[in-house]
Amino acid sequence: DADVTQTPRNRITKTGKRIMLECSQTKGHDRMYWYRQDPGLGLRLIYYSFDVKDINKGEISDGYSVSRQAQAKFSLSLESAIPNQTALYFCATSDLSSGRGETQYFGPGTRLLVL
Amino acid sequence: AQSVTQLGSHVSVSEGALVLLRCNYSSSVPPYLFWYVQYPNQGLQLLLKYTSAATLVKGINGFEAEFKKSETSFHLTKPSAHMSDAAEYFCAALGRGSASKIIFGSGTRLSIRP
Repeated sequence: DADVTQTPRNRITKTGKRIMLECSQTKGHDRMYWYRQDPGLGLRLIYYSFDVKDINKGEISDGYSVSRQAQAKFSLSLESAIPNQTALYFCATSDLSSGRGETQYFGPGTRLLVL
Repeated sequence: AQSVTQLGSHVSVSEGALVLLRCNYSSSVPPYLFWYVQYPNQGLQLLLKYTSAATLVKGINGFEAEFKKSETSFHLTKPSAHMSDAAEYFCAALGRGSASKIIFGSGTRLSIRP
């Protein structure tokens, strides 16, 4: 079984709709992240959480919100989807206690299309 | 502010040829440095990372990267390309503070010609 799972894997929605992307992990990591990937722009950080009570905005948080329901779950919401939020979304985890230069572990991604 | 630059959004090499993917970082203090690979329809996975133990870092699948402080570079190489190496490669940097966040480059798509 995958260590980091994302649901749904693909989603088509309409402008103005609310949508939630979910991420679950079995790695026991405290740190979780949401990124979006756009061609030519690499990965950009939307939100991150260093533990259940710690939520922080990333570089492109406008239009998004998150919820850390438990150590293992981190959800990303688009309150009112717009077409320029069409992208590939990745959840990732990391563990500071793993030592210097913590590795990030990525889910398989959610491909979102906003019409 | 920390940044990562990958030169060349697309690199094409022949099977068996040398692979060289370029990465430069901008940081006042050398950060931790990473190369991640993304195969089609998959998430990113770690190829290798530099944590200052050794400047030449060996990773999976025959890849290696050399940290050069004087050039602020961390280029990825593989002596002989294989068709299965076709993927997108991301260089990334992480500051040494506990609250630092990783910064990714824009990615380089590697194509392998038969």
